[in-house]
Amino acid sequence: QKEVEQNSGPLSVPEGAIASLNCTYSDRGSQSFFWYRQYSGKSPELIMSIYSNGDKEDGRFTAQLNKASQYVSLLIRDSQPSDSATYLCAVSLGYKLSFGAGTTVTVRA
Amino acid sequence: EPEVTQTPSHQVTQMGQEVILRCVPISNHLYFYWYRQILGQKVEFLVSFYNNEISEKSEIFDDQFSVERPDGSNFTLKIRSTKLEDSAMYFCASRPGTQPGANVLTFGAGSRLTVL
Repeated sequence: QKEVEQNSGPLSVPEGAIASLNCTYSDRGSQSFFWYRQYSGKSPELIMSIYSNGDKEDGRFTAQLNKASQYVSLLIRDSQPSDSATYLCAVSLGYKLSFGAGTTVTVRA
Repeated sequence: EPEVTQTPSHQVTQMGQEVILRCVPISNHLYFYWYRQILGQKVEFLVSFYNNEISEKSEIFDDQFSVERPDGSNFTLKIRSTKLEDSAMYFCASRPGTQPGANVLTFGAGSRLTVL
């Protein structure tokens, strides 16, 4: 079983719509959860971190965490063409941060 | 804003040659990492380093790889005898701690390694 799994993409949404990204993880001991954005040829950059169950909002981004279901999600509201990128779910356990394969999002103008 | 710096940005080498990739982590961070990303694939954990020793490593990080913190600022990844399959983008990263709230990982821009 993969440590971190993300819903397969690519995901194409029209400008102004909501993009919904999902992630599940295998280790119940994981305590910290992150969403990173990666543009082609660039390094991952942090969008959101979430540590406790529930929702966390930051601007147009909302992260949701459900530890009982081992599930993390990211909603991007009012999607913009600049949001077109690969979104990486990452889960921390001890020293290690493990990444999912990523979901590529394309926002159509 | 503090950043992680990596050199070189791109290195081309012949198979069997030794390569050293260099990184300067953020100054008050305590945990240092190397990740790699083969073109079109996921970001893969290689090794974590804390208190001048390896704290965790992946199956990828075999005897051909080593890390070192030769002084108070640099953190290096050495690949002893490069193979074609070592061609990838190598990311250095650092974070202040491992506890929730103090464990955000910041990445450098990456070093692209091409093995011919």
